[in-house]
Amino acid sequence: QVQLVESGGGLVKPGGSLRLSCGASGFAFSDYYMNWIRQAPGKGLEWLSWISGSGSTIYYADSVKGRFTISRDNSRKSLYLQINSLRAEDTAVYYCAREPSGRWYGFLDYWGQGALVTVSS
Amino acid sequence: EIVLTQSPGTLSLSPGERATLSCRASQGVGSNYLAWYQQKPGQSPRLLIYGASIRATGIPDRFSGSGSGTDFTLTISRLEPEDFAVYYCQHYDGSRVMYTFGQGTKLEIK
Repeated sequence: QVQLVESGGGLVKPGGSLRLSCGASGFAFSDYYMNWIRQAPGKGLEWLSWISGSGSTIYYADSVKGRFTISRDNSRKSLYLQINSLRAEDTAVYYCAREPSGRWYGFLDYWGQGALVTVSS
Repeated sequence: EIVLTQSPGTLSLSPGERATLSCRASQGVGSNYLAWYQQKPGQSPRLLIYGASIRATGIPDRFSGSGSGTDFTLTISRLEPEDFAVYYCQHYDGSRVMYTFGQGTKLEIK
């Protein structure tokens, strides 16, 4: 079955950096677009970034452009999110999610369980 | 940038009742790119509907989606206890590769 498992979350000081990982299993990872979405405590969902199956095309939300870097390693079936210059407002649960790439796309059919990132001194 | 506004913010109903959740877009959007998700406390979102009206795999038929243009609706025909959760609508802008979510509707037990 499809599984996405995030790791790498934790407590980080303001200004610090963090790399989140998302391990995929149960599907042909390189055939799918992948995304990162976050959810601040008690708040709604915020889309952050998209990466094509090959990793050659990438998009970011304006709010994180320049500080966040998405990447993937298809040989390891893994998705990554590098977050630099962390701020208190980056405190959130970070989800990786799969987007279908067939006839129907533009939605997120599987989500990981999330990784909590807390930015605090 | 398209803004999605969901209403009501909170909906209080009893099991067995019908729930109607609204999602309004700030400008017309393609129905192919409107989706709905359910999120329970402590869990990740679960895809319910895509293409405005197509149920995702394994979603019970009491969930239905409809709408076009700027107005979309998620209907739950007869509420089950497990349906009480937060629901989000989502739009995908293919020209910019960008996802936008509504702010959510909390469906609570009356």
